Amino acid sequence: GENVEQHPSTLSVQEGDSAVIKCTYSDSASNYFPWYKQELGKGPQLIIDIRSNVGEKKDQRIAVTLNKTAKHFSLHITETQPEDSAVYFCAADLYQTGANNLFFGTGTRLTVIP
Amino acid sequence: SQTIHQWPATLVQPVGSPLSLECTVEGTSNPNLYWYRQAAGRGLQLLFYSVGIGQISSEVPQNLSASRPQDRQFILSSKKLLLSDSGFYLCAWIPGGNTIYFGEGSWLTVV
Repeated sequence: GENVEQHPSTLSVQEGDSAVIKCTYSDSASNYFPWYKQELGKGPQLIIDIRSNVGEKKDQRIAVTLNKTAKHFSLHITETQPEDSAVYFCAADLYQTGANNLFFGTGTRLTVIP
Repeated sequence: SQTIHQWPATLVQPVGSPLSLECTVEGTSNPNLYWYRQAAGRGLQLLFYSVGIGQISSEVPQNLSASRPQDRQFILSSKKLLLSDSGFYLCAWIPGGNTIYFGEGSWLTVV
């Protein structure tokens, strides 16, 4: 099955700086890579996703890059703000037996210091 | 509109007591439904998923079970809770395509 690794587990940045979170996956058949933001006590919320036919996608201050050859993808947050503080999860999708089955990384706790 | 709702939001249960968490979705037919567990400070662990009424696949052996009595209803149960069952339980669904959406979660504390 798929194995997703995520680094770092914790990340602190000064407000206004950029933050980068990296993930690797093991199964080259995975073709969908979402990122989720989870605030304390709430369910994860999708913030951006990318499919395997695209190398980069950007949405305002958030961007995701995908390197299929190396099997890694990254989340980039620019001009960080205190409200960006949360736990971020990456995931890879391996479609099997009729059920999309996301494999999640272990999460990165991002703290933006005002 | 497409919505997912789970309840209760929090509960405290004694060891050995039963558990029932309920999840309902609206806005589409025959969605894929999921139960995840998140231990404190940990990642997301897939417990069960369902592709249709009465169809349940288990990812992790445990004393929990899941049922899907209706197309838009997914229930997580236990006959006897253990201390190790404490955690944050998340219902999730895929209304279409690949994107999975999560409910707001249920905090379970077993004492």
